[in-house]
Amino acid sequence: AQKVTQAQTEISVVEKEDVTLDCVYETRDTTYYLFWYKQPPSGELVFLIRRNSFDEQNEISGRYSWNFQKSTSSFNFTITASQVVDSAVYFCALSDEGGTGRRALTFGSGTRLQVQP
Amino acid sequence: DGGITQSPKYLFRKEGQNVTLSCEQNLNHDAMYWYRQDPGQGLRLIYYSQIVNDFQKGDIAEGYSVSREKKESFPLTVTSAQKNPTAFYLCASSDYRRNTEAFFGQGTRLTVV
Repeated sequence: AQKVTQAQTEISVVEKEDVTLDCVYETRDTTYYLFWYKQPPSGELVFLIRRNSFDEQNEISGRYSWNFQKSTSSFNFTITASQVVDSAVYFCALSDEGGTGRRALTFGSGTRLQVQP
Repeated sequence: DGGITQSPKYLFRKEGQNVTLSCEQNLNHDAMYWYRQDPGQGLRLIYYSQIVNDFQKGDIAEGYSVSREKKESFPLTVTSAQKNPTAFYLCASSDYRRNTEAFFGQGTRLTVV
């Protein structure tokens, strides 16, 4: 079963629009960690945020904000006033043990964001 | 500088050959990971290792093998049994005990010719 679902394959917005990238996860663990990464055209993954399962506070970092809701198993990412430089593929990831005793890091399929000038 | 180094950046393989992708980290991380990314696709976990001399299969381990003889190194061998090996391969490491974010290398693009 897919553990991390990013239902939006591709999103296109015009510069200065706000955009929200959805992430829904599935785990049986009570302790787990969620992440967002950005992959620009160069290919290297850039870490954006980490959140543990006990911290449901929303977080804002400049134009970026994250909304973590355990009740709906969602960890959504919003970019306010988008810019062309935000164009990239964004990945949501989950770190849990899944009953194995070993912690694996599982990624969603990614959302490609295109910001048009 | 601390980080993860993957080599080579581009690799060409003839059908039927085994090839090994290198991944080295100097971050003193216990956990290391290998992912495969196909065009327009997400990252799929091939193998991961949390300590030296121990590693686990991920979702798509068939046709791949790894070793973890040193903490710093986690090489991935793409064997001839992997039917469609052309892809972008990413290596990562993390501080397993502190559950920090994973740090990624710049990737190796493997093409079968």
